[in-house]
Amino acid sequence: NAGVTQTPKFRVLKTGQSMTLLCAQDMNHEYMYWYRQDPGMGLRLIHYSVGEGTTAKGEVPDGYNVSRLKKQNFLLGLESAAPSQTSVYFCASSSPGWVAEAFFGQGTRLTVV
Amino acid sequence: QQQVKQSPQSLIVQKGGIPIINCAYENTAFDYFPWYQQFPGKGPALLIAIRPDVSEKKEGRFTISFNKSAKQFSLHIMDSQPGDSATYFCAASIGGGDKLTFGTGTRLAVRP
Repeated sequence: NAGVTQTPKFRVLKTGQSMTLLCAQDMNHEYMYWYRQDPGMGLRLIHYSVGEGTTAKGEVPDGYNVSRLKKQNFLLGLESAAPSQTSVYFCASSSPGWVAEAFFGQGTRLTVV
Repeated sequence: QQQVKQSPQSLIVQKGGIPIINCAYENTAFDYFPWYQQFPGKGPALLIAIRPDVSEKKEGRFTISFNKSAKQFSLHIMDSQPGDSATYFCAASIGGGDKLTFGTGTRLAVRP
């Protein structure tokens, strides 16, 4: 049981380049999330999805786009990377309902130079 | 605006000590308060969680204390061990576990 898998684990981008981060979960969870983690700021929600074909903005959505074409996958896109997007990105998934544990992937460390 | 404030930023204790991490929240609509534990190079993992209808919850050596009137909650780690060395995040959400709002994290080091 792999849980939540993120691809890639590390990436270096030049300013202005684009890339897509892939998240896959095998727990049949309805909800999926993308967070970014920065020193001294905890984890902040970028975008989330409550089901296949649906997405919504979180706390810090600017500069990112997402898609949830399949229930098990949640893609995070950076159209034109900026140094301010240097961060560690975490994907998570959960089931709806009370006290639903969020399961996190191992993260993607992205550096924009 | 930080809706969940966490302190301290870092904490060092000796083995067997009782580290305490505190969190305060502003939004009274929050009704689910989990703590996540994160080891270096890993994603956060749920440690323990509480709802505001109870004032304390224990799971093994980990205890959450909750003060609804003060809008504060804290994590206590009894008989701390070097293996507890990690970063701890408090969080809060409305209506269950989705869309978590995290605190800024506490890096705990337990010395042998």
